[in-house]
Amino acid sequence: QVQLQESGPGLVKPSETLSLTCSVSGDSITSDYWSWIRQSPGKQLEWLGYFHYRGTTNYNPSLKSRLSISVDTSKKQFSLNLTSVTAADTAVYYCVRARNFDVFEIWGQGTRVTVSS
Amino acid sequence: QSVLTQPPSVSAAPGQKVTISCSGSTSNIGKNFVSWYRQFPGTAPKLLIYDNKKRPPGIPDRFSGSKSGTSATLDITGIQTGDEADYYCGTWDSSLTANMVFGGGTKLTVL
Repeated sequence: QVQLQESGPGLVKPSETLSLTCSVSGDSITSDYWSWIRQSPGKQLEWLGYFHYRGTTNYNPSLKSRLSISVDTSKKQFSLNLTSVTAADTAVYYCVRARNFDVFEIWGQGTRVTVSS
Repeated sequence: QSVLTQPPSVSAAPGQKVTISCSGSTSNIGKNFVSWYRQFPGTAPKLLIYDNKKRPPGIPDRFSGSKSGTSATLDITGIQTGDEADYYCGTWDSSLTANMVFGGGTKLTVL
């Protein structure tokens, strides 16, 4: 059974970098699309981007300048780095395994991140 | 404001049928497959329908999806109290700012 688990700080200061890691169990990370999605306090879902196992990435255009997603196959983890965060980046962040990049099959439980000084 | 438009809420009595709509445009629903997700409070969304009408293993046939033009619908028949949740549609948007987009979510209340 495939399981994803997010980890990272629950509180980040404005202008700093948010870094989250997703650990994958029960599946090879050398397949599929490994994505990040966040959900604002108002419950709106927002796709952040994905890393495809062949090495390609695709990011939400509104976040592209601040966002990077990478994969560490040896650790079976993928990571998100979001720079220069503001209060608008406060959300629950989910790591997700996607089929064909647009079908989000397996979700992590989510990790709540608050941006505040 | 969401790119895809869903009604904020719908309601139905147990045993009835409910339809949740998802309205988009020619650059998203009009060109690409639609998926649907269910989310219970405090938990992650779960895939219900993909490629407009396909169900992942384990999803009962009470849940069905369809698409016509720039709109999609999720039908739930034989409503159960356990169906009370938020439902979201999603699809790829092929505009110049290519992006995955979601609806704002619909809260299903079982009367």
